[in-house]
Amino acid sequence: AQSVTQPDIHITVSEGASLELRCNYSYGATPYLFWYVQSPGQGLQLLLKYFSGDTLVQGIKGFEAEFKRSQSSFNLRKPSVHWSDAAEYFCAVGAPSGATNKLIFGTGTLLAVQP
Amino acid sequence: EPEVTQTPSHQVTQMGQEVILRCVPISNHLYFYWYRQILGQKVEFLVSFYNNEISEKSEIFDDQFSVERPDGSNFTLKIRSTKLEDSAMYFCACHRGGADTQYFGPGTRLTVL
Repeated sequence: AQSVTQPDIHITVSEGASLELRCNYSYGATPYLFWYVQSPGQGLQLLLKYFSGDTLVQGIKGFEAEFKRSQSSFNLRKPSVHWSDAAEYFCAVGAPSGATNKLIFGTGTLLAVQP
Repeated sequence: EPEVTQTPSHQVTQMGQEVILRCVPISNHLYFYWYRQILGQKVEFLVSFYNNEISEKSEIFDDQFSVERPDGSNFTLKIRSTKLEDSAMYFCACHRGGADTQYFGPGTRLTVL
């Protein structure tokens, strides 16, 4: 069965520091992979996605992620974190099946940014 | 940029009551989804809907739940007799098809007392 693991429940970084959020997935075929961000009380905003091709994908707000098939990973990175990046981050894998392409989400990583 | 909208933003109901959560998906999108997020937990798939019928549903989506696209623009989730454990944030999502990005609405927070 498809699954997504985000091993870090809570991460705190200093403003200006680099960030890496980990995501591992389990999926039988080539996965569609996504990172979404959720600010408190808000919906889910897509940061970036991987479908095929270049394994390093660029997203909005200066985020990037690298797909590593050998490690079943899709880690999210940002070179310099801003205070406004404090939010919850969800990794998801798309599981297409017939006329559906449901997303399976990880448990999320809550990012706190220290001044 | 087109958006998915959901109403109401917050619904409070008594246990056993029926609720209808409404979504207006992006106009040229053909595939529709409901997800829920219980407070502090991950987002879970409930149901997908295409061509006026359910294409997949999860174990959570039991007989108390139903979905409908009554007028070609709205997409609704009905819970017939709410339980305390139905309290959650419910998200509507849509996409054009295939591997296209799913766009999420802002959610409806359902509180069952």
